[in-house]
Amino acid sequence: DAKTTQPPSMDCAEGRAANLPCNHSTISGNEYVYWYRQIHSQGPQYIIHGLKNNETNEMASLIITEDRKSSTLILPHATLRDTAVYYCIVNSGGSNYKLTFGKGTLLTVNP
Amino acid sequence: GAVVSQHPSWVICKSGTSVKIECRSLDFQATTMFWYRQFPKQSLMLMATSNEGSKATYEQGVEKDKFLINHASLTLSTLTVTSAHPEDSSFYICSAKLTGGVGNTEAFFGQGTRLTVV
Repeated sequence: DAKTTQPPSMDCAEGRAANLPCNHSTISGNEYVYWYRQIHSQGPQYIIHGLKNNETNEMASLIITEDRKSSTLILPHATLRDTAVYYCIVNSGGSNYKLTFGKGTLLTVNP
Repeated sequence: GAVVSQHPSWVICKSGTSVKIECRSLDFQATTMFWYRQFPKQSLMLMATSNEGSKATYEQGVEKDKFLINHASLTLSTLTVTSAHPEDSSFYICSAKLTGGVGNTEAFFGQGTRLTVV
């Protein structure tokens, strides 16, 4: 699976949009980009995933660059409960489906 | 999203004993389940992939005889830590992938099990 690079930490003001970047320059054509988050001492929570088109759901938006070498997770209106470690993962799926977690980005939402 | 439940949420056991952790997909069928371990201030480390009705596939460095995995049904996988030692103390997390579906599906995670070996 391709490696991902994320900043170790970010801060965001409550109510503002949080934009979390992820580099995956070695991603291959059949690999999806997944985002999960983990609040302290809990299991990871699925947020969103996509292949090449931008995706949006009730939690977040995923913007994938045209060359697919990077992506951005957008939380439109961050709340204190969004403070968590956010993981960007690339996954090829099928029989090779495997979610390999890196170190992620600790997002701290400040009041 | 779909619900994955782990039991117990936490367990304390004596060194040398075995501990079983259950992972259930409550509202969907999961052909494939995954077991992770997470040490304090570290990321999740994949231990093994469990497929219903077949032997689990272990990641390099994970002892299959120590971490026994059984995936007997489409909604239940178990992880047994045999002859547990203090260094096995960790946060164990399972996840389950939706069976079928179109395209690449997401996996859902349990709430984790905190194992402390004394």
